[in-house]
Amino acid sequence: LAKTTQPISMDSYEGQEVNITCSHNNIATNDYITWYQQFPSQGPRFIIQGYKTKVTNEVASLFIPADRKSSTLSLPRVSLSDTAVYYCLVGDVNSGYSTLTFGKGTMLLVSP
Amino acid sequence: NAGVTQTPKFQVLKTGQSMTLQCAQDMNHNSMYWYRQDPGMGLRLIYYSASEGTTDKGEVPNGYNVSRLNKREFSLRLESAAPSQTSVYFCASSEGTGIEDGYTFGSGTRLTVV
Repeated sequence: LAKTTQPISMDSYEGQEVNITCSHNNIATNDYITWYQQFPSQGPRFIIQGYKTKVTNEVASLFIPADRKSSTLSLPRVSLSDTAVYYCLVGDVNSGYSTLTFGKGTMLLVSP
Repeated sequence: NAGVTQTPKFQVLKTGQSMTLQCAQDMNHNSMYWYRQDPGMGLRLIYYSASEGTTDKGEVPNGYNVSRLNKREFSLRLESAAPSQTSVYFCASSEGTGIEDGYTFGSGTRLTVV
């Protein structure tokens, strides 16, 4: 089970690009990397997932280097509403249902 | 489309009381999960149900029981509540394992045991 390490908190200002890096040194061949976002008083929300290289959707981009030992979630031009906790998860599609572990996440605070 | 619905949203129990947290999803998902979230602890898996008729323990199952009533509903029961069970409880569902297709979470039940 790949363990993840990410910063506890980050601060930014509106309009800036924010990059949150997650380390997963013992990631296995079959593991996918997934990011969730959680607003206060709400459940987490799936935002992006990738296996290698770069993935982009309407919310964020995910960059994964060739060795896959880390990944970076990139949020372009953040707004106040992007203030949330962001979780990096690593899971093996072949290992069953209990392998998705939510750590403490990264608390992103966006200021005016 | 409601997604995942949890009831109640808030509950206060006395130590030793019992209660059932309800969860229902309308997305025809196969798998359902119960997590608890405590300050500074992230989310921890209590129980999950890979498919209708099956349930399995997660990371912190002690003090809880679950029932997968049908494909839509997955309930969590506290038989004798303890202050250590004060937490926010989240139900989630996924079509498959949740790794490729992601989890859909409910809005949570905030439980206080006094």
